Amino acid sequence: NAGVTQTPKFRVLKTGQSMTLLCAQDMNHEYMYWYRQDPGMGLRLIHYSVGEGTTAKGEVPDGYNVSRLKKQNFLLGLESAAPSQTSVYFCASSYMLGGSETQYFGPGTRLLVL
Amino acid sequence: RKEVEQDPGPFNVPEGATVAFNCTYSNSASQSFFWYRQDCRKEPKLLMSVYSSGNEDGRFTAQLNRASQYISLLIRDSKLSDSATYLCVVNRRDDKIIFGKGTRLHILP
Repeated sequence: NAGVTQTPKFRVLKTGQSMTLLCAQDMNHEYMYWYRQDPGMGLRLIHYSVGEGTTAKGEVPDGYNVSRLKKQNFLLGLESAAPSQTSVYFCASSYMLGGSETQYFGPGTRLLVL
Repeated sequence: RKEVEQDPGPFNVPEGATVAFNCTYSNSASQSFFWYRQDCRKEPKLLMSVYSSGNEDGRFTAQLNRASQYISLLIRDSKLSDSATYLCVVNRRDDKIIFGKGTRLHILP
């Protein structure tokens, strides 16, 4: 049981390049989330999904797109990377949304946009 | 005012001491509360849920005060391994999950 995994662990992009971050979970969780974490800003929700085929915007969705084609995978795309997207990206999953449900986080992807 | 506020610290505490953090929340529709721990360059991990009646897990005690809208975390007999950032997390009735920015704790030998 690997929990939540993220690929890649680290990436350097040039401004304008695109990339996709992959999140996978093997806990059969319905809900998945993408966060970014910046110094002094805490964790901010980018997008989330309440089930296969569904996605919704979070607090800071601009510049990102997501897809949930399979229940176990949640992809985060950057179509045209900007230096402001330099951050640590965490994926998380939970069995239920909100309520008393806890979230399980992946190890993070460190992205540097030059 | 931020919806969830924490003192960023750092709290520099000698090993063996007791340390307490508070976290205040502004939305009275907040439903459930958690403390997460995040080690440097690692992902957040659940430390404990916070119940209305308060709860204890070994050296850790969490309490909720709904009237004053804050939660607290008490760490007794602190260990070097307790050094981390502690995140306060609030789940609202509309299913939004709000993270505090965290409180940094350094346990000094």
